[in-house]
Amino acid sequence: GQQLNQSPQSMFIQEGEDVSMNCTSSSIFNTWLWYKQDPGEGPVLLIALYKAGELTSNGRLTAQFGITRKDSFLNISASIPSDVGIYFCAGRYFSGGYNKLIFGAGTRLAVHP
Amino acid sequence: DVKVTQSSRYLVKRTGEKVFLECVQDMDHENMFWYRQDPGLGLRLIYFSYDVKMKEKGDIPEGYSVSREKKERFSLILESASTNQTSMYLCASSFKGDTEAFFGQGTRLTVV
Repeated sequence: GQQLNQSPQSMFIQEGEDVSMNCTSSSIFNTWLWYKQDPGEGPVLLIALYKAGELTSNGRLTAQFGITRKDSFLNISASIPSDVGIYFCAGRYFSGGYNKLIFGAGTRLAVHP
Repeated sequence: DVKVTQSSRYLVKRTGEKVFLECVQDMDHENMFWYRQDPGLGLRLIYFSYDVKMKEKGDIPEGYSVSREKKERFSLILESASTNQTSMYLCASSFKGDTEAFFGQGTRLTVV
């Protein structure tokens, strides 16, 4: 079945540093999504990518849809304490007559002031 | 604002109990989903529904069932709770064909 490999599993960085995380798969996806989960809350969508090669920014966040459609990365520039949380990638694919999402295992980010 | 509300933030149940997790959304979304979240495994889809009275199995349906009698409400049922069902459960909803799914706050279930 579909599988996503998300790395790194966790990161502990200093405030102001840039962060990079990525997801890879042996499968092709038609959409890549990046979600953030704050402690005690449900995930919230940060960025959606719809085309291979697409590079999209949302404030200090930048994400790219890999040209092979099998990978995506998320960069956070100049991290701040409120960036703390778990970041999930998700790939959307069509199967059994439905669009489905599969999630990576998450990257847990801790920011030291 | 889209709101997906899960009835409980925390639940403690005994092994063998029948457990109901309720989810309500207020945006007239056609699609509703139940995921469980476990450390190192991310979010895994249990069941989903694209319409009232309709349900489809996700990736890990064993030990669970669902009910969607009204468009706004999607219930997850553990027929006989077991300790390996201790987890965080997340409900989500979206418009038909839409990419973005909106999540509830989650229910942390502990089965003892």
